[in-house]
Amino acid sequence: RKEVEQDPGPFNVPEGATVAFNCTYSNSASQSFFWYRQDCRKEPKLLMSVYSSGNEDGRFTAQLNRASQYISLLIRDSKLSDSATYLCVVRNSGGYQKVTFGTGTKLQVIP
Amino acid sequence: DAGVIQSPRHEVTEMGQEVTLRCKPISGHNSLFWYRQTMMRGLELLIYFNNNVPIDDSGMPEDRFSAKMPNASFSTLKIQPSEPRDSAVYFCASSLSGTGEGTQYFGPGTRLLVL
Repeated sequence: RKEVEQDPGPFNVPEGATVAFNCTYSNSASQSFFWYRQDCRKEPKLLMSVYSSGNEDGRFTAQLNRASQYISLLIRDSKLSDSATYLCVVRNSGGYQKVTFGTGTKLQVIP
Repeated sequence: DAGVIQSPRHEVTEMGQEVTLRCKPISGHNSLFWYRQTMMRGLELLIYFNNNVPIDDSGMPEDRFSAKMPNASFSTLKIQPSEPRDSAVYFCASSLSGTGEGTQYFGPGTRLLVL
């Protein structure tokens, strides 16, 4: 089983729609969780961290379910500019910053 | 502030040639990572350094790959000899560890094509 698993998509959604991605992780000792965004032919960039209590940043909401070992990202009122690949990232415990990236979920928002 | 700087941005070479990729991390960051990204395998960690010391190189594919970090502001990833299957985008990222989340900041990547 992969350490971090995501549905590769693509998710094709119309503008204004709400879309949700899930990501599962295998290591129950995982400590920190993030969503990164990667535009076509660009580098990954941090979208948001995922906190135990859940967190929201504008149209984006991230949630963590430790019992089931998954994290989710919800995008409301999708914009064309949201089209990108969304990477789930997990960091295990320990003093160093090594993280594991999922293979990403591709989102295409269509007019 | 300058982000992570990588050079070259594109590299086309022939099989068997030596390839050297360069990275300058964000000033003050103490962790540096080299990743490789392909369509088939996604983003793979090759090696990471903390305070210029290699911590984990288990992702380095084979002996043809080597990485160095002679000082806090410079790192290289070398492939010798290169093979067509090494064609990929190579990213360098840096972070500041010991201060909570340690967000990784990526450079623009080097697109390598080995013919």
